[in-house]
Amino acid sequence: DAGITQSPRHKVTETGTPVTLRCHQTENHRYMYWYRQDPGHGLRLIHYSYGVKDTDKGEVSDGYSVSRSKTEDFLLTLESATSSQTSVYFCAISESSTGGNGELFFGEGSRLTVL
Amino acid sequence: QQQVKQSPQSLIVQKGGISIINCAYENTAFDYFPWYQQFPGKGPALLIAIRPDVSEKKEGRFTISFNKSAKQFSLHIMDSQPGDSATYFCAATKGGATNKLIFGTGTLLAVQP
Repeated sequence: DAGITQSPRHKVTETGTPVTLRCHQTENHRYMYWYRQDPGHGLRLIHYSYGVKDTDKGEVSDGYSVSRSKTEDFLLTLESATSSQTSVYFCAISESSTGGNGELFFGEGSRLTVL
Repeated sequence: QQQVKQSPQSLIVQKGGISIINCAYENTAFDYFPWYQQFPGKGPALLIAIRPDVSEKKEGRFTISFNKSAKQFSLHIMDSQPGDSATYFCAATKGGATNKLIFGTGTLLAVQP
């Protein structure tokens, strides 16, 4: 298994509170991603990073921010959580951004419930 | 707008049977089509992938069939086993760009013993 650790694995919070999810990798891969998984929607990209301090928006970035101060860590922050952000969040990494087999390696997910 | 449409949403197959999951895409620029497998409580993992220069790719019991003119591709699982019970996601992108992968909505497969 790819060395990806997500924390926390489960979190229940209240509407309006800030939440930070952490993704830590030991693979030294340059590219890191945050996805959310919801029934009927599959996996949707929130933000991704192509290097330290280099990030970009994905398909569903509203309400989320990210930071990457070290190669191994990619943080996802919900500044003010809403019930619509209740989801399972997956971190993924890849060795390259294009070409090759374009393989993503996923973490085990963080289940977030916003009450 | 869903650029990759996946069906069925769920599928029940008897052990030893063939499981078939279908996907259709809209963007003719897509040129890389992976399938990911996800077990409960785990993240998705790459299962098999195909590029449009071939019409079929087989790896063990798993086969991707690709129809470029119809803009469709499908996953066939031969001799389905209870251990294959999982959620399967098709995906598509251009140039293998991992930051542009568009996933289907997923198919929950249950293989009954």
